[in-house]
Amino acid sequence: ETGVTQTPRHLVMGMTNKKSLKCEQHLGHNAMYWYKQSAKKPLELMFVYNFKEQTENNSVPSRFSPECPNSSHLFLHLHTLQPEDSALYLCASSQDSTGQTYGYTFGSGTRLTVV
Amino acid sequence: GDSVTQMEGPVTLSEEAFLTINCTYTATGYPSLFWYVQYPGEGLQLLLKATKADDKGSNKGFEATYRKETTSFHLEKGSVQVSDSAVYFCALRGNYGGSQGNLIFGKGTKLSVKP
Repeated sequence: ETGVTQTPRHLVMGMTNKKSLKCEQHLGHNAMYWYKQSAKKPLELMFVYNFKEQTENNSVPSRFSPECPNSSHLFLHLHTLQPEDSALYLCASSQDSTGQTYGYTFGSGTRLTVV
Repeated sequence: GDSVTQMEGPVTLSEEAFLTINCTYTATGYPSLFWYVQYPGEGLQLLLKATKADDKGSNKGFEATYRKETTSFHLEKGSVQVSDSAVYFCALRGNYGGSQGNLIFGKGTKLSVKP
């Protein structure tokens, strides 16, 4: 247990479904991140939140919609996904988004399969 | 912009062999450097870090030294075990410039250790 909890661990959804991924941390961190990890591709940073404000959106399609209601919780809302969106989605947190000496703490990820 | 280049895998070693995974970086200023490890089915875990030139990070028998003159942060272990089989990611975090303080990852190197 790293201190960052992601649910569910596994998710299978159809292309017309709507689902949400949840991430929770009680480490006192102020920055939270969503990453996408696909087979044979580098880790892709999707979204960055710092003190609940979105500070980065790396050209992510609108079928992915993040929500950060407070510094401890981060959601990724999914709708009308494509099979190529199947991947491991990783959440991470850090003290803040600018402190260069701090690493990130990652959750175990949600394995998403779109059918 | 900032970037990390690490050796292509997979790397296959016998138990008790010496491990080196090369990592070089390009960055503006003085980034912090990290190694993360990902075991099968899990998220990324911080293995070690170094925040300034000539610092040596170490953990679980793994070591890496921040070499500014060669812009490198190679990961080494004197005697690997089967339990070290995982994917290893080199990463940097700058405080300005292209990375905007985000963690920048290499592509990862898969290590398999045979008994």
